[in-house]
Amino acid sequence: KAGVTQTPRYLIKTRGQQVTLSCSPISGHRSVSWYQQTPGQGLQFLFEYFSETQRNKGNFPGRFSGRQFSNSRSEMNVSTLELGDSALYLCASSPTTSGRANEQYFGPGTRLTVT
Amino acid sequence: KNQVEQSPQSLIILEGKNCTLQCNYTVSPFSNLRWYKQDTGRGPVSLTIMTFSENTKSNGRYTATLDADTKQSSLHITASQLSDSASYICVVAPGLTGFQKLVFGTGTRLLVSP
Repeated sequence: KAGVTQTPRYLIKTRGQQVTLSCSPISGHRSVSWYQQTPGQGLQFLFEYFSETQRNKGNFPGRFSGRQFSNSRSEMNVSTLELGDSALYLCASSPTTSGRANEQYFGPGTRLTVT
Repeated sequence: KNQVEQSPQSLIILEGKNCTLQCNYTVSPFSNLRWYKQDTGRGPVSLTIMTFSENTKSNGRYTATLDADTKQSSLHITASQLSDSASYICVVAPGLTGFQKLVFGTGTRLLVSP
């Protein structure tokens, strides 16, 4: 089975711009979670989607949004980029809903640099 | 406040040597504890998941231990290899909750030197 894929792998944007990141989960997995990882902060939960519905949301401003399509692929959008948004954005898929934190499989991440 | 603290922050060892990484948590209630390996610029890869009733779990040269009474876990790497150079992240799941409640440590960066 192919693993979790994320595109693009690297991205450079300017402050004020917006960006869309894409994640394709493992085939058959219906839960997709997004995390932001910055040095010294560890992974921080952004949101989780299951069956095209946002199930949970972390403590991030409304500039961060996402969606999930019927094929379970997910996109994350960040509007009005700030320098502090520079980070590695990780997507993780799981076969079941997050009613219980089951095994997650992470993608390689998208490295976003905001200048 | 639920927290996970890992030590040391970074570690350098010689190839072939053993090492032990520590994870202390204050998460309550406890559901499970996971160790992940993250290569630079890549996503984390699961090494072990332990529930309350498990106190040891192995995955090849990686052995994780859990003491739920003292809320401590360790990851022991045997006969280290250059490919073990990575960050190791401890994650604790509080109770029967979802991914939004996972508590992540900031990781231990391990460098295995030839």
